[in-house]
Amino acid sequence: GDSVTQMEGPVTLSEEAFLTINCTYTATGYPSLFWYVQYPGEGLQLLLKATKADDKGSNKGFEATYRKETTSFHLEKGSVQVSDSAVYFCALSAGAGGTSYGKLTFGQGTILTVHP
Amino acid sequence: DAGVIQSPRHEVTEMGQEVTLRCKPISGHDYLFWYRQTMMRGLELLIYFNNNVPIDDSGMPEDRFSAKMPNASFSTLKIQPSEPRDSAVYFCASSSGRPVNYGYTFGSGTRLTVV
Repeated sequence: GDSVTQMEGPVTLSEEAFLTINCTYTATGYPSLFWYVQYPGEGLQLLLKATKADDKGSNKGFEATYRKETTSFHLEKGSVQVSDSAVYFCALSAGAGGTSYGKLTFGQGTILTVHP
Repeated sequence: DAGVIQSPRHEVTEMGQEVTLRCKPISGHDYLFWYRQTMMRGLELLIYFNNNVPIDDSGMPEDRFSAKMPNASFSTLKIQPSEPRDSAVYFCASSSGRPVNYGYTFGSGTRLTVV
């Protein structure tokens, strides 16, 4: 069935460092891909999305490009801040025929801690 | 827009008691999802509704769990009887149209502790 695999965490960075969180997926057809962020004590918030191959989603300095050839959607940010400390989830929703049709399938989450 | 509203935010109950979690989706959203989040298992989809009709409840762990959506603006998740292993954060989410296009909007969650 459809699945999402994220890089093992936690990730610890200094402020202004470059961030990459890897995400790869397995899905039937052409899924849409998402990154969600969860701050402590809160629900998940949509960070960015891409609905077709080669699309780049971006928001708040974060970017991710939908790579169909490598089935990947890696999250990047050029200069992280302490306020970016959170848990990041990669997710997909497939079109008709996929096991994630009509719903989101999430990765296991990656904890990011940014130190001043 | 008030977002997805869940109540209560925190619930502590004794093993064997009935627990009811509540969710009000965003007005006009036609999909509603219940998730459970634990450190060990991450985010698990329990059940989801489309236009108030349950579509997929394959994630409901056992008969102790039940969910209803009597109208477009309200849903409940009930656990009876509750057990310590049910301790988790339960999230409700809603979407307008299929998530393949728009993703979800999540509520702030209910942290359930069963002692």
